[in-house]
Amino acid sequence: GAGVSQSPSNKVTEKGKDVELRCDPISGHTALYWYRQSLGQGLEFLIYFQGNSAPDKSGLPSDRFSAERTGGSVSTLTIQRTQQEDSAVYLCASSWGPSSGGFQETQYFGPGTRLLVL
Amino acid sequence: AQTVTQSQPEMSVQEAETVTLSCTYDTSESDYYLFWYKQPPSRQMILVIRQEAYKQQNATENRFSVNFQKAAKSFSLKISDSQLGDAAMYFCAYKRAGANSKLTFGKGITLSVRP
Repeated sequence: GAGVSQSPSNKVTEKGKDVELRCDPISGHTALYWYRQSLGQGLEFLIYFQGNSAPDKSGLPSDRFSAERTGGSVSTLTIQRTQQEDSAVYLCASSWGPSSGGFQETQYFGPGTRLLVL
Repeated sequence: AQTVTQSQPEMSVQEAETVTLSCTYDTSESDYYLFWYKQPPSRQMILVIRQEAYKQQNATENRFSVNFQKAAKSFSLKISDSQLGDAAMYFCAYKRAGANSKLTFGKGITLSVRP
């Protein structure tokens, strides 16, 4: 079946503008994760969704970052008033969710969105 | 807090040879998973192999195998018969068992394959 998809693939924006990044998980996956990959910080966790709820938002770096998930499927990560330090690749991953077991807990990644803030 | 350490930033291997990528981790948990992901220049993170901590047997996937040493908290990846397509960045990752848990990644290692 189809994998995780993300859009846009690349986004260039000006400092101070808002951006929205979209993630469409693998069909049937109830868990969805956002990560950020930057040269200086490596791969960092941002937020986790189980269904439409976000039990773990601990990785969001500031209140300019928010995310939502609707219908237990598509998720949108919004960055308000973008700053140059927000430039990074934003990766989305999904997994089957709450059932335990290696297969269910394995996360599969999308191709990422490369964000450049000028 | 869990940490994952990949101390080698770069490695190189001759095509058809074998290479081992090292990873160590630190956790106080007893039930967890370890993963190796591959990230080629396309930036798509691709799952290479998974190891369940409760399993003593080392995981294998075709040319890829791991050496999992739980007591030493070591998790190395062996790539046999290296191919040009294996050139990529490789990330070691840890996940506490249970759905509400994130992946914690090492800094990655860049593997180049010489023809």
